[in-house]
Amino acid sequence: AQSVTQPDIHITVSEGASLELRCNYSYGATPYLFWYVQSPGQGLQLLLKYFSGDTLVQGIKGFEAEFKRSQSSFNLRKPSVHWSDAAEYFCAVVFGSSNTGKLIFGQGTTLQVKP
Amino acid sequence: DSGVTQTPKHLITATGQRVTLRCSPRSGDLSVYWYQQSLDQGLQFLIQYYNGEERAKGNILERFSAQQFPDLHSELNLSSLELGDSALYFCASNPSGRNTGELFFGEGSRLTVL
Repeated sequence: AQSVTQPDIHITVSEGASLELRCNYSYGATPYLFWYVQSPGQGLQLLLKYFSGDTLVQGIKGFEAEFKRSQSSFNLRKPSVHWSDAAEYFCAVVFGSSNTGKLIFGQGTTLQVKP
Repeated sequence: DSGVTQTPKHLITATGQRVTLRCSPRSGDLSVYWYQQSLDQGLQFLIQYYNGEERAKGNILERFSAQQFPDLHSELNLSSLELGDSALYFCASNPSGRNTGELFFGEGSRLTVL
């Protein structure tokens, strides 16, 4: 079955520390991959996307993600976390063709940043 | 500001009632998507409309229906409401009918069913 898994429900890091949020998907082909961020009381905002090509993609706010086909993973990273990065992060995948595909979200990872 | 507008922002109603949530997509966007976000189910895709026509369907209950009007705004109708329908309902839009996954989300309509 097609699925998106974010193993970590909640992560706490200190400001200035590095961050990695995990995402795994289950799908027969290579899907379109995304990370979205939801700040409290806000809608979701696209951080970055992977369609094809270079497996390391850069996004907004200093985030990057790496697609690893062998591990069916698309982990999000940031070298140095800022207090304003505290939010909920969602990995998402379009399964199927873009004409009929659906954007499916993982359960989300809540990031807390300690001063 | 994503450019997607949702109203109302908050809505409190009773079980058995019917409500309508409204979404105005970004200017020029032809596709509208509806998502439901709840604590137990997470973010669930409900339905997509493209230029007035239903394009894709997700986990939308039969008690729920949606439509997209000629001016491209969309409405999500929720009827015979149950306690479990309490959730944050998001609308999103993108320019084409192709779901490339790059969606622009509104701030959501929070529905509380008492």
